[in-house]
Amino acid sequence: NAGVTQTPKFQVLKTGQSMTLQCAQDMNHNSMYWYRQDPGMGLRLIYYSASEGTTDKGEVPNGYNVSRLNKREFSLRLESAAPSQTSVYFCASGWDRRPTDTQYFGPGTRLTVL
Amino acid sequence: QKEVEQNSGPLSVPEGAIASLNCTYSDRGSQSFFWYRQYSGKSPELIMFIYSNGDKEDGRFTAQLNKASQYVSLLIRDSQPSDSATYLCAVGGGGADGLTFGKGTHLIIQP
Repeated sequence: NAGVTQTPKFQVLKTGQSMTLQCAQDMNHNSMYWYRQDPGMGLRLIYYSASEGTTDKGEVPNGYNVSRLNKREFSLRLESAAPSQTSVYFCASGWDRRPTDTQYFGPGTRLTVL
Repeated sequence: QKEVEQNSGPLSVPEGAIASLNCTYSDRGSQSFFWYRQYSGKSPELIMFIYSNGDKEDGRFTAQLNKASQYVSLLIRDSQPSDSATYLCAVGGGGADGLTFGKGTHLIIQP
């Protein structure tokens, strides 16, 4: 099992460019999440998907869109990148949305927006 | 808004000693509490979770929860240099989706 995988590992964009971050999990989990991690800010939830076909906003959704393509894949799209979106992005998955559910993280995508 | 507070450190502990990491949370409705370890440049890795008041032990790690005081801690016994990392406290439940993370405590184990 690969667990949670993310592509790309690194990306540099210019302001205004768009890109999609890919995430896939092979643990048959129902819930998937996108977080961003900034120095001094900790991990913050961007969007999540409780199950295939559903998505909901988290704490910091502005400037992002998501797609739950199927049970395995959950992508994060930046339509018009801004320097404020420079961050490390982590995808996570878990069995369900119950508060006791454990989340498992992918390796992260390090994004720089110039 | 749910808040999770941790001392950012660095917390320096001699090798072989007990490292004590602390976390407080604001939402009394929180139901689950997690400790993740994160090495520099890597992703968070789950160490332990705890749901009930009291202590939970797993090898060298002990998680402690006191819901009345809204306090959760992680003890690392016989600290090793490989334990040097940032430790993230995360809280689930209480009406919010996903986990709410603290900013992490940077732990340094001195050989």
